[in-house]
Amino acid sequence: KAGVTQTPRYLIKTRGQQVTLSCSPISGHRSVSWYQQTPGQGLQFLFEYFSETQRNKGNFPGRFSGRQFSNSRSEMNVSTLELGDSALYLCASSFNSNEQFFGPGTRLTVL
Amino acid sequence: KNEVEQSPQNLTAQEGEFITINCSYSVGISALHWLQQHPGGGIVSLFMLSSGKKKHGRLIATINIQEKHSSLHITASHPRDSAVYICAVYPSGTASKLTFGTGTRLQVTL
Repeated sequence: KAGVTQTPRYLIKTRGQQVTLSCSPISGHRSVSWYQQTPGQGLQFLFEYFSETQRNKGNFPGRFSGRQFSNSRSEMNVSTLELGDSALYLCASSFNSNEQFFGPGTRLTVL
Repeated sequence: KNEVEQSPQNLTAQEGEFITINCSYSVGISALHWLQQHPGGGIVSLFMLSSGKKKHGRLIATINIQEKHSSLHITASHPRDSAVYICAVYPSGTASKLTFGTGTRLQVTL
């Protein structure tokens, strides 16, 4: 069974731009969660989607948004990028919010 | 104060040593994850547990719900065990909203 995939793996953007990251979950998994990892704040929960609905949301500004498609693939979008958005963005999928399986992450650098 | 605290923050061991990493949390939880992160960023789920003890190979995880404490043990450590180990909890009522500890950086030397 293929694992969780994320694209792109690396991304460089400049302040003020927007970015879209993609996550394809393990086949059959309906829950996709997104996390941000920075050296200063560690791992933080962004949001979770289940069957195309946002089920949980972390404490991030509205510039961070996401969606999930009918095939469970998910995207997250960050608008008006700031330097502090530089981070490793991880997604994880699970069958029903149980054990989570993580993707390799997208490393975003904002210049 | 973080809801999830890990100790130690850094750990160096020689190959073959028995290793223990501790995790304490201050909220009610429905389950706890132990995760492993290698350099480069990929995260692997080692265990998810809500009571008792689980074992997988040389890894053992225990949890005491009443004391709000979990431990991860590595028996006969090996250099390939060098990684960051992260404890994460599902606070009660939040289903999927993982809250993470700051991690324990383990280095196992020959």
